Amino acid sequence: DAKTTQPTSMDCAEGRAANLPCNHSTISGNEYVYWYRQIHSQGPQYIIHGLKNNETNEMASLIITEDRKSSTLILPHATLRDTAVYYCIVRPLKTSYDKVIFGPGTSLSVIP
Amino acid sequence: NAGVTQTPKFQVLKTGQSMTLQCAQDMNHEYMSWYRQDPGMGLRLIHYSVGAGITDQGEVPNGYNVSRSTTEDFPLRLLSAAPSQTSVYFCASRSFLQGKLYEQYFGPGTRLTVT
Repeated sequence: DAKTTQPTSMDCAEGRAANLPCNHSTISGNEYVYWYRQIHSQGPQYIIHGLKNNETNEMASLIITEDRKSSTLILPHATLRDTAVYYCIVRPLKTSYDKVIFGPGTSLSVIP
Repeated sequence: NAGVTQTPKFQVLKTGQSMTLQCAQDMNHEYMSWYRQDPGMGLRLIHYSVGAGITDQGEVPNGYNVSRSTTEDFPLRLLSAAPSQTSVYFCASRSFLQGKLYEQYFGPGTRLTVT
């Protein structure tokens, strides 16, 4: 699985958009970009995933660069409940085994 | 559905003791896995299973055993606990279904302290 690089921590003002970057320069053609988040003391939660097109769901938007070497998760109107660690992962969609590898992630603090 | 459940939520062990962390899911998921989480290190995969009777090692399998006798249950056993196994343990499951391959569901975690 490709390795990802994320900033260790970020702050965002409540009500503003939170833009969380992720570098995945060694991503291969069949690998998708996934985002999960982990609110303190809870298990991680799936947010969104994409291959090369931008994606949007009720939680967030995912912007993937044309060369697919980086992506940005956007929380359009951050709330205090969005304070969490955000993990960016790249892996094939169709994998024969469940070796999902998580890195340290980005600790997002939403400030009132 | 209850989703992924884990018991106990908290546990304190003495060095050398053994115990089993329980994990169950009621979503009929084929994949189940165990992670441990330590400060600043994200989640590290311990063991995983792609179906009943099939298990394999992850990144940090030493000191842990697993078995998968049913689709629903995936217990994690510590045979002789060590202080280095003090951590938060998460169980996760995922479906084989084409449209659900990306959704991994996590349990609430078990906080283990080994003294």
